[in-house]
Amino acid sequence: AQSVTQLGSHVSVSEGALVLLRCNYSSSVPPYLFWYVQYPNQGLQLLLKYTSAATLVKGINGFEAEFKKSETSFHLTKPSAHMSDAAEYFCAVTYSGGTSYGKLTFGQGTILTVHP
Amino acid sequence: KAGVTQTPRYLIKTRGQQVTLSCSPISGHRSVSWYQQTPGQGLQFLFEYFSETQRNKGNFPGRFSGRQFSNSRSEMNVSTLELGDSALYLCASSDRDSHSYEQYFGPGTRLTVT
Repeated sequence: AQSVTQLGSHVSVSEGALVLLRCNYSSSVPPYLFWYVQYPNQGLQLLLKYTSAATLVKGINGFEAEFKKSETSFHLTKPSAHMSDAAEYFCAVTYSGGTSYGKLTFGQGTILTVHP
Repeated sequence: KAGVTQTPRYLIKTRGQQVTLSCSPISGHRSVSWYQQTPGQGLQFLFEYFSETQRNKGNFPGRFSGRQFSNSRSEMNVSTLELGDSALYLCASSDRDSHSYEQYFGPGTRLTVT
C-alpha cells in the first residue's frame, strides 16, 4: 500500500530563512508525487509535481522539491521564507495504473509558521 | 479556465439526516475525486468518478455514495448522518483523458453535524 510520511507536524522559521519541509514515501513502483498548500478555510492549491521527468522540480511561489529515489524522499524547499508562506503543506502520492488513478494518498500535513 | 466549484460552502445538519454536496470540475476535466478532511484523520480518499462511473473507492461505509452526470458534474451523498461525519469535504478534478495525474481542488464544503 502506498503511504506518505511528513516529518514534523509544525515547522517554524524566521522571515527570510530557508524553508525545508520533509516528505518520505513508500513505494514498490515509480510514484507520482505532489506538494499542496492549504490556507485557512480554503481548498488545496497545487505547488508542484514530480511525474518521472526531472528530479528537481520547480513550483509556484519560489518553492522547489527534489525527488531522491534512493532515499524515497521528496522534500520541499524555499530559499527565503515570506510571511505569506504561513499555511499547511501536504505531500501526496499516487501511481500509474487504472486502480490508482484519481486516488491521492496524503501525508498528515505540516503547519508552517513564519516569524517576522 | 474557471476552477473547481463546490456548493454549498457551508452546511449544518442534524444527526440522522442526509446531505448532498455538489462539485463542478474544471472545463474539460472528466475525472472527479472526493476527499474528507478532519483534524483527526487528515485527508482521506472517498471515491473517484470518470465518465459517469465510479472507478475507485476508499474505505468508507456505504452511507457515503456519489454519482457523476454526463457533463462531468458530480454529487456526493451522505445518508444517516453521524456526528463523526463533520468535516471539510473536498472535490478535485483531473484530466484523465490526457493521463495527467495532478488534481485541482475546489474550496470545499464544510459540513457540521449536530
